Amino acid sequence: QSALTQPASVSGSPGQTITMSCTGTMSDVGSYNVLSWYQQHPGMAPKLIIHEANKRPSGISDRFSGSKSGNTASLTISGLQADDEAEYFCSAYAGGSQFVIFGGGTKLTVL
Amino acid sequence: EVKLEESGGGLKKPGESLRLSCAGSGFPFSTFEMNWVRQAPGKGLEWVSYINSRGDTTYYADSVKGRFTMSRDNAQNSVYLHMNNLRVDDGALYYCARGGLVYNLWGQGTLVTVSS
Repeated sequence: QSALTQPASVSGSPGQTITMSCTGTMSDVGSYNVLSWYQQHPGMAPKLIIHEANKRPSGISDRFSGSKSGNTASLTISGLQADDEAEYFCSAYAGGSQFVIFGGGTKLTVL
Repeated sequence: EVKLEESGGGLKKPGESLRLSCAGSGFPFSTFEMNWVRQAPGKGLEWVSYINSRGDTTYYADSVKGRFTMSRDNAQNSVYLHMNNLRVDDGALYYCARGGLVYNLWGQGTLVTVSS
């Protein structure tokens, strides 16, 4: 399986709402609800912010929300804050030998 | 404190071997599945390998299958990645990550550089 497809960059102003996408295939995103989103600040390890497409781990702000429709998942961040500026990766269960695949990442810039 | 700490990275030549370690603390390590995930400089994340809690089931990415072996020692709260026949494109920051298919705890990574 190839990597999931994410836009290279998105941007928004403080207070705005942005949405980024993650597109896979019927063999991964479309077949399983194992869809996660990770936030990575420069020089830091990734941090889980969404799992099972729309569930937030304890401690993650409700400004972060996820959804999935067919082969595409989306991450929405509302009330943008400066600290939201980071790279965001989606991941999905792909089954077979690839197990888990990641998207190429979307860099969020808060203007 | 709940954490994972990787070690063992370094500079190697193509064809050489290296063993990475990851020590967990602050949680019941033996009950968790574990993974290695790598990130080449300026690139995205790539899942590398998985091991179940007992250490008797492993999976590998096609890019490392036959060259890398993941193992664990629950008595030492540690997982390992034995890397043989290293290639230039194996150079990356290697993270260990807790979980089966969803990674809710990550270490800070250990850097592997492969260059002639």
